[in-house]
Amino acid sequence: SQKIEQNSEALNIQEGKTATLTCNYTNYSPAYLQWYRQDPGRGPVFLLLIRENEKEKRKERLKVTFDTTLKQSLFHITASQPADSATYLCALLNNYGQNFVFGPGTRLSVLP
Amino acid sequence: EAQVTQNPRYLITVTGKKLTVTCSQNMNHEYMSWYRQDPGLGLRQIYYSMNVEVTDKGDVPEGYKVSRKEKRNFPLILESPSPNQTSLYFCASRTTSRNEQFFGPGTRLTVL
Repeated sequence: SQKIEQNSEALNIQEGKTATLTCNYTNYSPAYLQWYRQDPGRGPVFLLLIRENEKEKRKERLKVTFDTTLKQSLFHITASQPADSATYLCALLNNYGQNFVFGPGTRLSVLP
Repeated sequence: EAQVTQNPRYLITVTGKKLTVTCSQNMNHEYMSWYRQDPGLGLRQIYYSMNVEVTDKGDVPEGYKVSRKEKRNFPLILESPSPNQTSLYFCASRTTSRNEQFFGPGTRLTVL
């Protein structure tokens, strides 16, 4: 069966450290994978997209990797800050790029 | 300001009473979508629309209807709501040339 998993429901890290979140999928062949941030009671906000032919993508303190052999994406936040505390969702396009499938999310808490 | 709007933001209703949640976007996006978000289940796609008069089922379409008569609007209709449709609903839109989705603020629906 098809599945998207994110490594942990919650992750606590100390301010200044690098947070690493994992997204694994099975029985999909996505052309690309996306990461979103969601704050409590609000809609997700798009952060980054990485294509299947890209190994790594960066945006400011964010870095995403995509390994289609392992069927895994890693999402890194360097020099984390308490303001980075939120739930992070990975998503991929299923069905020839028409409908989106989201992972369950990882709730990140950056402790001062 | 580019945005996706949803109304109402909060709704409490009773079983069987038809309701409509409106969604509108001002970005001229072709693609629009509805999701529901439930604890432990994450975001699940209900219906999506690639353009005017083109709609298709997502992963959890049972009990819902949609229509896309105009490009900017994509209402979600619950003909006979049931308690298991109590959830947080999000509308989203994107262009077909860029794959980042823009989400609305959410509608919290409670069906008694």
